[in-house]
Amino acid sequence: DVQLLESGGGLVQPGGSLRLSCAASGFIFGSYAMIWVRQAPGKGLQWVSTISASGDNTYYADSVKGRFTISRGNSKNTLYLQLNSLRVDDTAVYYCTKVAGGDYFDYWGQGTLVTVSS
Amino acid sequence: QSALTQPASVSGSPGQSITISCTGTSSDVGSYNFVSWYQQHPGKAPKLMIYEGSRRPSGVSFRFSGSKSGNTASLTISGLQAEDEADYHCCSYAGRSTYVFGTGTKVTVL
Repeated sequence: DVQLLESGGGLVQPGGSLRLSCAASGFIFGSYAMIWVRQAPGKGLQWVSTISASGDNTYYADSVKGRFTISRGNSKNTLYLQLNSLRVDDTAVYYCTKVAGGDYFDYWGQGTLVTVSS
Repeated sequence: QSALTQPASVSGSPGQSITISCTGTSSDVGSYNFVSWYQQHPGKAPKLMIYEGSRRPSGVSFRFSGSKSGNTASLTISGLQAEDEADYHCCSYAGRSTYVFGTGTKVTVL
């Protein structure tokens, strides 16, 4: 079975940093693009970042460009998201998802909560 | 990268049909047949219900169907059941490996 397990969330002060991880299993990780999606409390989903299967290409939402960095370790079957210069409005549950067919997300992790507050 | 527009809430009685709209622009929904829909129960991760506008993944009930006209996509739930009460999110491919989600719709079964 496909499993995605996020970790690394927590409470951080504005301006701080966190590194999220997503451990993948049950599929050939290095063959699929992956994305991070976030959901602020009581709000809808927001696409954050995409990384290609090889890791050579990355894409970011304007709201996180220059502050967040997506990466992957295909030998470790793990996806990462480095969050820097965190702001209060970055508070959200962060989900990692597997991209299927290039245009939809067939498996999701359970999410990890990032809270930015002083 | 503005969110797609969905109604905040839709409700229906058991057995009825409801439709949730998802309005975007010519840069996203209108340009690609790549709209997907996700069901999310409280405290749970989203679940894929429809992809590529109208295709159902294995295991998803035939009561869920999708369509698109111009810049607006729609999700219809027929034969509404109590278990369908959840939040529903649309998503469109927006080019160059970027995506845009909808504002989300809360479905209530009366």
